[in-house]
Amino acid sequence: EVQLLESGGGLVQPGGSLRLSCAASGITYSNYAMSWVRQAPGKGLEWVSTTHDDAGTTYYADSVKGRFTISRDNSKNTLYLQMNSLRAEDTAVYYCAKRPGRGIFDIWGQGTMVTVSS
Amino acid sequence: QSALTQPRSVSGSPGQSVTISCTGTSSDVGAYNYVSWYQQHPGKAPKLIIYDVNKRPSGVPDRFSGSKSGNMASLTISGLQAEDETDYYCCSFAGRYVVFGGGTKLTVL
Repeated sequence: EVQLLESGGGLVQPGGSLRLSCAASGITYSNYAMSWVRQAPGKGLEWVSTTHDDAGTTYYADSVKGRFTISRDNSKNTLYLQMNSLRAEDTAVYYCAKRPGRGIFDIWGQGTMVTVSS
Repeated sequence: QSALTQPRSVSGSPGQSVTISCTGTSSDVGAYNYVSWYQQHPGKAPKLIIYDVNKRPSGVPDRFSGSKSGNMASLTISGLQAEDETDYYCCSFAGRYVVFGGGTKLTVL
């Protein structure tokens, strides 16, 4: 069974940092691009970042560019999102998703909640 | 990177058909045949129901169909069922980024 499991969410003060992880199982992880998508409470989905299978190419939404860094360790089947200079508007459930093609997110994790508040 | 435009809500009776529109620009929906749709029940992760404008993943009923014309994509759900009542999001590839719609709440009357 294909499974993605996020971890690392929590409460952080504005300006603080947090690193999210997403462990994959049941797939040949290194073959796929992976993404982070977030959803603020009561709001819609927002794409955050994508890394290609070899981690050589990464993309970011303008709202997080320069503050967030996506990375992956294919030897550990794990995706990461390093989040720095966090703002209140970054408060959301963060999902990792497998990206088998352009604009396609076919497998999603259960999400991890990030709350930025003093 | 502006969000795609979806109606906030649509409704239909069981057995009827409903269509959800998704309007973008010539830089996203109009530029690529890479529109996808997601169904999300409350408290759950989104589920892919349409990709590449009109393709269905394995296991998704053929009651769900997608189309595109110019800068607007559409999701049609035919033979509405009670379990279809939830939120739907469109999504488009846009080159160096991806953009989602604001979401549509479907109510089955």
